[in-house]
Amino acid sequence: EPEVTQTPSHQVTQMGQEVILRCVPISNHLYFYWYRQILGQKVEFLVSFYNNEISEKSEIFDDQFSVERPDGSNFTLKIRSTKLEDSAMYFCASSDVGGEGYEQYFGPGTRLTVT
Amino acid sequence: GEDVEQSLFLSVREGDSSVINCTYTDSSSTYLYWYKQEPGAGLQLLTYIFSNMDMKQDQRLTVLLNKKDKHLSLRIADTQTGDSAIYFCAVKRYSSASKIIFGSGTRLSIRP
Repeated sequence: EPEVTQTPSHQVTQMGQEVILRCVPISNHLYFYWYRQILGQKVEFLVSFYNNEISEKSEIFDDQFSVERPDGSNFTLKIRSTKLEDSAMYFCASSDVGGEGYEQYFGPGTRLTVT
Repeated sequence: GEDVEQSLFLSVREGDSSVINCTYTDSSSTYLYWYKQEPGAGLQLLTYIFSNMDMKQDQRLTVLLNKKDKHLSLRIADTQTGDSAIYFCAVKRYSSASKIIFGSGTRLSIRP
């Protein structure tokens, strides 16, 4: 069964450093998403991406964040200058239909620790 | 704003039924989901219901929706040790192509 994969599973970085979290969505999917879950808190939507542009973003997704689909398979989340409060589990998801679809397939997550 | 609330913990005896409850605030929610998260794993969609339905049954899982009270529940019949996980209630508006709003998750533990 196709699945969303994410790398790395755990990333440790120092405050102020740039990180890139990588995701490989399911191959025929067209919509891509990033969510995050700070320890002990809810899963929060960050951004969605379709047709090579952001279709929706939350207030969390400020200028420090960016997303890119650099090739036909990868979808990346970049944090330019990490802060301690960026420590969280980051989930990538993809779906084959956006507005009318019902299922977003989630990856296993990347745990980001900022020290 | 949009919010989804659920209790944090539930403990049931193996073989009993588990009922996990959820309330939401956004009456525009069109798709209502239950996700399961096992330790170290991602979010697995267990089941979903459309807002024009009251009930959906899928093997051991029964989802009940009370739109008037904005209340969603997930019943797991004959709960097994493999059902131990965190269960997330989540909702999405029809008008939004993307954003799913999650609850905090209910940790289900199974007693022998």
